Amino acid sequence: GDSVTQMEGPVTLSEEAFLTINCTYTATGYPSLFWYVQYPGEGLQLLLKATKADDKGSNKGFEATYRKETTSFHLEKGSVQVSDSAVYFCALPPRATQGGSEKLVFGKGTKLTVNP
Amino acid sequence: ETGVTQTPRHLVMGMTNKKSLKCEQHLGHNAMYWYKQSAKKPLELMFVYNFKEQTENNSVPSRFSPECPNSSHLFLHLHTLQPEDSALYLCASSEAVLAGEQYFGPGTRLTVT
Repeated sequence: GDSVTQMEGPVTLSEEAFLTINCTYTATGYPSLFWYVQYPGEGLQLLLKATKADDKGSNKGFEATYRKETTSFHLEKGSVQVSDSAVYFCALPPRATQGGSEKLVFGKGTKLTVNP
Repeated sequence: ETGVTQTPRHLVMGMTNKKSLKCEQHLGHNAMYWYKQSAKKPLELMFVYNFKEQTENNSVPSRFSPECPNSSHLFLHLHTLQPEDSALYLCASSEAVLAGEQYFGPGTRLTVT
């Protein structure tokens, strides 16, 4: 079925390492794509988004490029910090999936731990 | 207050208790949501409200009863819960029900004993 497939964690990195979290999706058309982040003890917050193919979303040093050829939206950061330790969710907007309902479709989440 | 607030932040209740979770959004949004987040399970959408009207109920047991008196407030009434209902309950809002940008509250950590 239609879905978001996200790299399973957990991911553990040292400070200043390069980060990639893979995300691929199945959807009708070319929906907007989102990355949400959940810091410990908090709710989710939108990290970045891209609204059309080849768009690059960026925020807080994180980037993700909308690749329609590979239906991917991988999250990257060149140099992670301890404060980036969190769970990251890739998401599709409502009704982007075939027969979808009024809900965001989230990936399962990838837990990132950054050690000093 | 700004954004989406939830109270209480932590709740411990027995299986025979009745309690309510409260959510308030200060963003002028028209859609509000309840999610359940359990350890090692994907985020589950429970209820969707659009302009105070419930538009989606994802097969949630009747022991969870939502209430949306206006576009800014959302409640989740709980009664005769089970231990497996222990989870983080997140409230969210968005400008419109089909918007991909949702704003989440910090959640209520519920423990059912």
